[in-house]
Amino acid sequence: GQNIDQPTEMTATEGAIVQINCTYQTSGFNGLFWYQQHAGEAPTFLSYNVLDGLEEKGRFSSFLSRSKGYSYLLLKELQMKDSASYLCAVREGQVLSFGAGTTVTVRA
Amino acid sequence: DAGVIQSPRHEVTEMGQEVTLRCKPISGHDYLFWYRQTMMRGLELLIYFNNNVPIDDSGMPEDRFSAKMPNASFSTLKIQPSEPRDSAVYFCASSFGGGGEQYFGPGTRLTVT
Repeated sequence: GQNIDQPTEMTATEGAIVQINCTYQTSGFNGLFWYQQHAGEAPTFLSYNVLDGLEEKGRFSSFLSRSKGYSYLLLKELQMKDSASYLCAVREGQVLSFGAGTTVTVRA
Repeated sequence: DAGVIQSPRHEVTEMGQEVTLRCKPISGHDYLFWYRQTMMRGLELLIYFNNNVPIDDSGMPEDRFSAKMPNASFSTLKIQPSEPRDSAVYFCASSFGGGGEQYFGPGTRLTVT
């Protein structure tokens, strides 16, 4: 089974940087995903880490430390459209277990 | 590709009625997942299929829930009889290979009164 923890809410200013942390405990680890979910919409894929280190994709970056059971999603140059819930998900086999999500509010 | 298609988008029904949710995965994807999302419990996996075969249904809450995948392009999730606590958003997702990213459909918002 999984135990995935991430903060419930974060608020930041437009143009700033926000880091969303995710810690997990798992009996088997096959990768970590980050998904973005706008209110009333479906989750959409942002990033995937299976090896330790940083994966950069435009304004978004994701980091993984398998030994620490830790990941973060870094959102740079925040825009109003980045206001959404960000879900950390751990893969074990073919199954994804999702955290409760972090609601990010971007203010002007 | 049109992405994962789900129907209906919204469903309002009375307690005790049968509810059938439908999903068409992305063509060529061999894995299909059914999830339920609520404020209290977040996003939970109910069941998933590989090549139309159910692999893990341990997340199905009880016998009132059943899912089928008669072919590679269609799956259903049925609740009979429905109860108010089944009210949630039900998502279908598909992927190519079990380890790939999952693509989610728009979801069905179910309200049971």
